[in-house]
Amino acid sequence: EAGVTQFPSHSVIEKGQTVTLRCDPISGHDNLYWYRRVMGKEIKFLLHFVKESKQDESGMPNNRFLAERTGGTYSTLKVQPAELEDSGVYFCASSVGLAGGLVSDTQYFGPGTRLTVL
Amino acid sequence: LAKTTQPISMDSYEGQEVNITCSHNNIATNDYITWYQQFPSQGPRFIIQGYKTKVTNEVASLFIPADRKSSTLSLPRVSLSDTAVYYCLVGDPNTGNQFYFGTGTSLTVIP
Repeated sequence: EAGVTQFPSHSVIEKGQTVTLRCDPISGHDNLYWYRRVMGKEIKFLLHFVKESKQDESGMPNNRFLAERTGGTYSTLKVQPAELEDSGVYFCASSVGLAGGLVSDTQYFGPGTRLTVL
Repeated sequence: LAKTTQPISMDSYEGQEVNITCSHNNIATNDYITWYQQFPSQGPRFIIQGYKTKVTNEVASLFIPADRKSSTLSLPRVSLSDTAVYYCLVGDPNTGNQFYFGTGTSLTVIP
């Protein structure tokens, strides 16, 4: 079974440009999460989708970040316009969710996208 | 929001058992405790998850006392390939909201 995949693995852009990160969750996983780690800091939660709906986006840093999950499958995270402080590694994770009928749920992470804003 | 505290780093010799403790004093009733392993340039990899008492799988054991304010990840007989950062994650997997990653523990296994 394929794991969580993210594209691109690395992106280098200039300040003011737009970048779109993509995450493909494990097939059948209803829950999708975005996290990021800024240099030297902890991994922080950004937002959580249940299927195509945003369950919690309280971790999104500001309105320059827009996350979507079309049809409850893959998700994109767009940063527009990018600023220097947006540099870091963006992780995506997915989990089965309540529909799986499990008592607890486990998040599986992708390899991350390293974003560098110059 | 349950915040976690772990030792920043640990060293161990090959073949020894390693125990990494995580403090989560504000854990909520519905929160589970999940441990992840992360190698450089990779995403966190699931190790083990538990709610209370003891959980064991093929790679690790997780000990959770009755008050659930802490948990201990036990890695039996570590090898050089276990050198990584280990994170304790506390949250409610049934809502999936606001999982909190701590600073992690950097484990170095010495030959």
